[in-house]
Order: sequence, then C-alpha cells, then structure tokens
Amino acid sequence: DAGVTQSPTHLIKTRGQHVTLRCSPISGHKSVSWYQQVLGQGPQFIFQYYEKEERGRGNFPDRFSARQFPNYSSELNVNALLLGDSALYLCASSLAGTDLYEQYFGPGTRLTVT
Amino acid sequence: KQEVTQIPAALSVPEGENLVLNCSFTDSAIYNLQWFRQDPGKGLTSLLLIQSSQREQTSGRLNASLDKSSGRSTLYIAASQPGDSATYLCAVRQNSGGYQKVTFGTGTKLQVIP
Repeated sequence: DAGVTQSPTHLIKTRGQHVTLRCSPISGHKSVSWYQQVLGQGPQFIFQYYEKEERGRGNFPDRFSARQFPNYSSELNVNALLLGDSALYLCASSLAGTDLYEQYFGPGTRLTVT
Repeated sequence: KQEVTQIPAALSVPEGENLVLNCSFTDSAIYNLQWFRQDPGKGLTSLLLIQSSQREQTSGRLNASLDKSSGRSTLYIAASQPGDSATYLCAVRQNSGGYQKVTFGTGTKLQVIP
C-alpha cells in the first residue's frame, strides 16, 4: 500500500504569491493534518481535518487555509506569502480524527519563498 | 500554552550503548504522546504512541514511558546502532478550545558512532 503522498516535492515562490500544497492520505484513512517545520525546529501544527470538517487548528494567521475532499485528500493554501513561510510542509494521515490513532507522515513539500 | 522540551538537543554515543531521550511537557491534560524519528530532509516516521492511560509502550529495541502527572516521557533505545542516527521528536495531543491540537518538541539529534 502507498503511504502518504504529497505534491509537489519542492516549490519556489515569490513574496506575495499564493501557493497550494496537496496531500493524499493512506488508503482508508479519513483524517489529515498539516504541519509547518522550519529548519532546525520541531513541526508546528497548522490544521487537522476529519470527514471534511476542521477538527484542529494551530496558531497560524488567516493566510493559511485548508480543505478536505470527499476522497479524503487535502489541500493547504497559503496566501500573500512571506519570507518566513519558507519551510518543510508536512502532511499526516490517521484512521480517524480521534486521539486513538497514530499519525503517519508524508515526505513533505519544501517551500522556498524569495 | 503547551510547551514541549526535549533534552539533550544533541547526543553522540558509541555503537552498542543503551541511551535515554527525554521529553517534558508543561500541561499534563493530554490525550496521548507520540515519538517519531526524522532523517535529514525527510518526513517523520512513527515509533511509538502512548495513550494518556498507559504507562509505557515497547517496540523491538525501543521502550517509551509516560508519567503524565509529572509531564515527562522517556524513549529508551537499547543496543544502539549507526542506523539509529536521526532526530527524535516527541509530540503531545490535547484538547484546546474545543479543537484538537498537537505540539511537538524541538527534537534530540542522535549520532551513533560505529
């Protein structure tokens, strides 16, 4: 079975632009979470979605938004990019939205904002 | 606000040694704690998940313990191998304002010397 997949692998954008990152969960998993990892730091929680509804949110500005589709894949959108948005963006999936299940991570999307 | 600290930040040991990684958190009202490893530039690999009602979990050479009341978890690695070299991260999940939230530590970078 395929693991969590993310696209694109790498991305270079200019300040002020918009970006969309995509994530496909493990087959059968209904929950997707997004994290931002700046170099040298631990991941920071952005969102969790379960059954297409937002179930968790971290301390990120409204420039960050996400959604989950009927097939449980997800998109993370970031508007008005800042240099500080440069990071590795990680997606994780789990069977359900509760605390009982392990999270499985994808390889990440490396975003560079110039 | 939950804060998760991992000590030490970096550790270098000779192959074969047993070692302990520490994770402490300030708010003990957690659902669970999960340990991950991260190889350079890669996503996270789940190692162990401990529910708040559990005291420890074991997988092969790894053993993780949880003392929720004191806000501490340890990851014990037996008979370390060069392939164990990676950054180890702990993460706690909790309820925050009706949402679920995950907080990661900054990690312990482990180097096992052959």
